[in-house]
Amino acid sequence: GAGVSQSPSNKVTEKGKDVELRCDPISGHTALYWYRQRLGQGLEFLIYFQGNSAPDKSGLPSDRFSAERTGESVSTLTIQRTQQEDSAVYLCASSLTSGGVYNEQFFGPGTRLTVL
Amino acid sequence: AQKITQTQPGMFVQEKEAVTLDCTYDTSDQSYGLFWYKQPSSGEMIFLIYQGSYDEQNATEGRYSLNFQKARKSANLVISASQLGDSAMYFCATYYGGSQGNLIFGKGTKLSVKP
Repeated sequence: GAGVSQSPSNKVTEKGKDVELRCDPISGHTALYWYRQRLGQGLEFLIYFQGNSAPDKSGLPSDRFSAERTGESVSTLTIQRTQQEDSAVYLCASSLTSGGVYNEQFFGPGTRLTVL
Repeated sequence: AQKITQTQPGMFVQEKEAVTLDCTYDTSDQSYGLFWYKQPSSGEMIFLIYQGSYDEQNATEGRYSLNFQKARKSANLVISASQLGDSAMYFCATYYGGSQGNLIFGKGTKLSVKP
């Protein structure tokens, strides 16, 4: 596709339920990033993948959060037992590579998650 | 740890005038990059401009220019000839050579362009 796509665009769930958010990066981009943006705030880094591996998962806010990437393409961010504080927009980005200091990241439209 | 500070939560500018959005960064690294992104109300993040720490000249992209003052650790965005479509959130971000790959963002500045 032409850009990064994310699905669903909106997700409303009840507290305690699990949710899966999907990201399709730009074809050929080896690096993929997940960020969280709470209302009126900047972007908070969650995790990134270089290829299929995630070198550092320390940005994930709790063990309820996990992410995987298969085939150097699609990535899924899973939030288990959702809490109201998980409500935010989850943004995915991709870049050609994660090396060097020039790292233009192309962002998807985000998934707006609301936990009731 | 790397840090980005944007001290202007909101800014107003008259259409066709220039505006400067402030950004300061805190890093001990010699090699890093600075980015500005625009986020309209639709929520997408749009890349505007990039400055590398070793670039001696200020970056320019159309109506956007970056006033890079390395000694002061500032990377202010200048938008010339503001247009109504420039109304949006603007985020400054940094990426450094030793990072794990992620961008570190400031809290953003909301720019409103008045007709």
